[in-house]
Amino acid sequence: EAGVVQSPRYKIIEKKQPVAFWCNPISGHNTLYWYRQNLGQGPELLIRYENEEAVDDSQLPKDRFSAERLKGVDSTLKIQPAELGDSAVYLCASSYGTGPDTQYFGPGTRLTVL
Amino acid sequence: KQEVTQIPAALSVPEGENLVLNCSFTDSAIYNLQWFRQDPGKGLTSLLLIQSSQREQTSGRLNASLDKSSGRSTLYIAASQPGDSATYLCAVRKRWNDMRFGAGTRLTVKP
Repeated sequence: EAGVVQSPRYKIIEKKQPVAFWCNPISGHNTLYWYRQNLGQGPELLIRYENEEAVDDSQLPKDRFSAERLKGVDSTLKIQPAELGDSAVYLCASSYGTGPDTQYFGPGTRLTVL
Repeated sequence: KQEVTQIPAALSVPEGENLVLNCSFTDSAIYNLQWFRQDPGKGLTSLLLIQSSQREQTSGRLNASLDKSSGRSTLYIAASQPGDSATYLCAVRKRWNDMRFGAGTRLTVKP
């Protein structure tokens, strides 16, 4: 069974540029998560989707970050414009149910903003 | 707000040694606690999950314990191997889907 797929794996951009990350969860998983992991820190939740609905986006900086999950499968996380402080690893995870099921993580996208 | 702390931040041991990683949390009203492993450039892999009603979980050479009243969990690794080198993170789930991570312990096992 394929795991969570993320692309790109690495991205280097200049500040004020836009950037987008893509995530394909495990087939059949209803819940999708986006996390941000700063260097030397644990992941922090940005947004959680149950099917197509964003049910927890309280930690998403809405002035520059946006996300969507069309048809309840793939998801895209966008930053526009990027700032120096956005440099981090962006992790996508998915779980089967909408409860506290085990989350399966993708390899992440490492973003560097110059 | 739930705070999760992991000590030590880094640990280096010779192969074959038994070791203990520590995790503490400030709010004891948790749903469960999970230990993850993270290899460089890769995502997180779940190792052990302890429900709030449980005291410990075991998987192979790994044993995790939970003491909710004191806000502590330990991950015990027996007979460490170089392949165990990774960052180990604990995560505490308070509500249905609110998971808070510690910063991790970076483990190096030297041959």
